[in-house]
Amino acid sequence: GENVEQHPSTLSVQEGDSAVIKCTYSDSASNYFPWYKQELGKRPQLIIDIRSNVGEKKDQRIAVTLNKTAKHFSLHITETQPEDSAVYFCAASSNSGGSNYKLTFGKGTLLTVNP
Amino acid sequence: GAGVSQSPRYKVAKRGQDVALRCDPISGHVSLFWYQQALGQGPEFLTYFQNEAQLDKSGLPSDRFFAERPEGSVSTLKIQRTQQEDSAVYLCASSPRTSRVAGELFFGEGSRLTVL
Repeated sequence: GENVEQHPSTLSVQEGDSAVIKCTYSDSASNYFPWYKQELGKRPQLIIDIRSNVGEKKDQRIAVTLNKTAKHFSLHITETQPEDSAVYFCAASSNSGGSNYKLTFGKGTLLTVNP
Repeated sequence: GAGVSQSPRYKVAKRGQDVALRCDPISGHVSLFWYQQALGQGPEFLTYFQNEAQLDKSGLPSDRFFAERPEGSVSTLKIQRTQQEDSAVYLCASSPRTSRVAGELFFGEGSRLTVL
């Protein structure tokens, strides 16, 4: 099955700096890569996603890059703000027999943005 | 409209007790998932329903875990004879997509189970 590794496990930055979180996956058939943000005690919420036919996607201060050859994808947050502080999870969705529903999550990165 | 709703939000059980966790997905969502999230970890897949059909239960840890969605809407995750290792947050998620196309999952707030 799919295995997703996420680094770093914790990240502390100053407000206004950039933050980068990296993930690798094992299943070359994976074709959908979402990122979820989870604030303490709250539900995970999708912040951005990318499909395997695209190398990069950007939404305001957030961008995701995908390297299919290396089986590696990254989340980039620019101009960080204190409200960006949360746990971020990457995930990969494998394609198996025409079905594509199962997400495998990384262990998460606790991002702290210091004012 | 309302998001995914889960109840109870918190449940404390004595070891050996049975528990039932309920999920009300977003109305009209075809797909429903249960995930288990241990403290400090990412969500781990338990089971998947498309309408009332349980298409995948490969992530259920043991035969003490059982899930159902009899009318293709509300789902219940039941854990029999709870053990301490069952302590976790149980997240329900729904999606308007079928199994063939991955997309955004809409999560509930979760049910935090503590087994003493």
